Amino acid sequence: SAVISQKPSRDICQRGTSLTIQCQVDSQVTMMFWYRQQPGQSLTLIATANQGSEATYESGFVIDKFPISRPNLTFSTLTVSNMSPEDSSIYLCSVEGGVTRTQFFGPGTRLTVL
Amino acid sequence: AQSVTQLGSHVSVSEGALVLLRCNYSSSVPPYLFWYVQYPNQGLQLLLKYTSAATLVKGINGFEAEFKKSETSFHLTKPSAHMSDAAEYFCAVSDQPGGYQKVTFGTGTKLQVIP
Repeated sequence: SAVISQKPSRDICQRGTSLTIQCQVDSQVTMMFWYRQQPGQSLTLIATANQGSEATYESGFVIDKFPISRPNLTFSTLTVSNMSPEDSSIYLCSVEGGVTRTQFFGPGTRLTVL
Repeated sequence: AQSVTQLGSHVSVSEGALVLLRCNYSSSVPPYLFWYVQYPNQGLQLLLKYTSAATLVKGINGFEAEFKKSETSFHLTKPSAHMSDAAEYFCAVSDQPGGYQKVTFGTGTKLQVIP
């Protein structure tokens, strides 16, 4: 399994500002995924990031709000732009690994927007 | 389209008692099925996975799950609950063996273990 780290682990931000979350993997991976987990809810896929191409966003998520970068095979960033309190969530990155293409998750970034 | 239903958002068991967390899935093709655990203030950790091999899957920490196609179920069990099992458990399904695995998660079940 891959070892995944995220920075920051948590942050408290003001409304209208932006936060960039970093995800680092200890091995090269093709696909990286970004999820949101709103308080008391399950995980919702935001987008899939493939190195060298534009991220693919799920319904309800747009690039202007959640721009993603994928500069190489071990790193990705997710920016939460123009934040509002409704963006308060845990944001998790994951990678796909192994023959069965299981997803492995980072520890998450706990975001609170005031 | 794939989907997952977890019955019971909260389950309480006594320490030493059987743990049973229910998961039913919907998939148009043979699925891959997963159970993840999330401890407080942590990310998700894979407990076990079913990938069309043995229908009884053993995972970490003494957990196991049985794939029952006729019932479209993948319930998670552990014979004897431990205090350290208190966490939230997510069932997940993926029915896209080609391309990347788009995984759909259930709404989660919080397990409380009573001493």
